[in-house]
Amino acid sequence: AQKVTQAQTEISVVEKEDVTLDCVYETRDTTYYLFWYKQPPSGELVFLIRRNSFDEQNEISGRYSWNFQKSTSSFNFTITASQVVDSAVYFCALSEVLSGSARQLTFGSGTQLTVLP
Amino acid sequence: DAGVTQSPTHLIKTRGQQVTLRCSPISGHKSVSWYQQVLGQGPQFIFQYYEKEERGRGNFPDRFSARQFPNYSSELNVNALLLGDSALYLCASSARQGMNTEAFFGQGTRLTVV
Repeated sequence: AQKVTQAQTEISVVEKEDVTLDCVYETRDTTYYLFWYKQPPSGELVFLIRRNSFDEQNEISGRYSWNFQKSTSSFNFTITASQVVDSAVYFCALSEVLSGSARQLTFGSGTQLTVLP
Repeated sequence: DAGVTQSPTHLIKTRGQQVTLRCSPISGHKSVSWYQQVLGQGPQFIFQYYEKEERGRGNFPDRFSARQFPNYSSELNVNALLLGDSALYLCASSARQGMNTEAFFGQGTRLTVV
């Protein structure tokens, strides 16, 4: 079975600090997809990024950046110059094939990020 | 365009009762998945439906069932509720069922079993 580990349960930073959220995954598949989602207090999971296993290029989107390293099975997420609005629970997820084309997302346990003013 | 909508937003039930949760996917999306999120944990997969057929099932007891209607909306039913069923139930819709398809989530239904 596949597994996603987010070892950091809670992180607190002061506004404008940079913060990195760690994600380590386990899978036997050679083709897979990794995701990051943000969950604000309202409960809705907000999609942030999708990365396939063949694309190890780092990606930057505004203040967000992602570092995918297949050699260490890690997909870390960095927020630069954090803001109070970044406070939320962040989940890393791995797409797992069920049968045929059906798939499920296996989520980590999440990291609660609190950005203090 | 409307996102994924779920109803009701909150629900309180008594042990042993039955509950039905509803989900309307994004227009044009044919795949609906259900997830259970217990407080302090990540979401866990329950079901995936695509084109009105069950395509996958997670490790949940038979008390959990679901269906998808011709308009692609979906219902999740839970029978004989237990205290441990208290959770946020999330519905996700996607255009296709493939592995690379982005899933859009609703705000969830928070179920409390007393």
